[in-house]
Amino acid sequence: GAGVSQSPSNKVTEKGKDVELRCDPISGHTALYWYRQSLGQGLEFLIYFQGNSAPDKSGLPSDRFSAERTGGSVSTLTIQRTQQEDSAVYLCASSLGGAREETQYFGPGTRLLVL
Amino acid sequence: AQSVSQHNHHVILSEAASLELGCNYSYGGTVNLFWYVQYPGQHLQLLLKYFSGDPLVKGIKGFEAEFIKSKFSFNLRKPSVQWSDTAEYFCAVTAQTGANNLFFGTGTRLTVIP
Repeated sequence: GAGVSQSPSNKVTEKGKDVELRCDPISGHTALYWYRQSLGQGLEFLIYFQGNSAPDKSGLPSDRFSAERTGGSVSTLTIQRTQQEDSAVYLCASSLGGAREETQYFGPGTRLLVL
Repeated sequence: AQSVSQHNHHVILSEAASLELGCNYSYGGTVNLFWYVQYPGQHLQLLLKYFSGDPLVKGIKGFEAEFIKSKFSFNLRKPSVQWSDTAEYFCAVTAQTGANNLFFGTGTRLTVIP
């Protein structure tokens, strides 16, 4: 079946511009996660959605970052007023029910470069 | 807070050599442990995981890992590596309390020389 998909695969933007990154989880998966993979910080958690519950935003690095999940499926990560330190690969993952022992399935990522 | 340490940043092996990649975590409670792999140009995928039962876990492609609770370790092993095992390997943890997200180690790059 189809895996997690993300778009765009690459995004180049200028400092100060806003960007939107999209994630389509595996059909039927109720849990969705955003992570960021960067050279200096490794893989770090950003935000977690589980069903209709309020998202866990504890990993968002600043208030310039926000995310929403519409209809319990597609999610959009928005970064406002981008900075050069936002350059990274943004990964989305989904799991069936959100239990801690479940496998998280990752998408290919969006590579963001802020000039 | 949870943390995961992978002390080997880059490992270079010849084909047929044995592999052991170290992973230590710091967390006092019950944990779930994962090894993910990222092959060149591909996305992260699960190699194996442990959440209960037999502490020796077998995964795909001949990999295995052993959970040693007393050492807070979950080392990854393979008796004989192949060139196709060249990849980056990430150890990760979820805790039984707090957030559901994975806490990742910094990764170990494995290069297998044919």
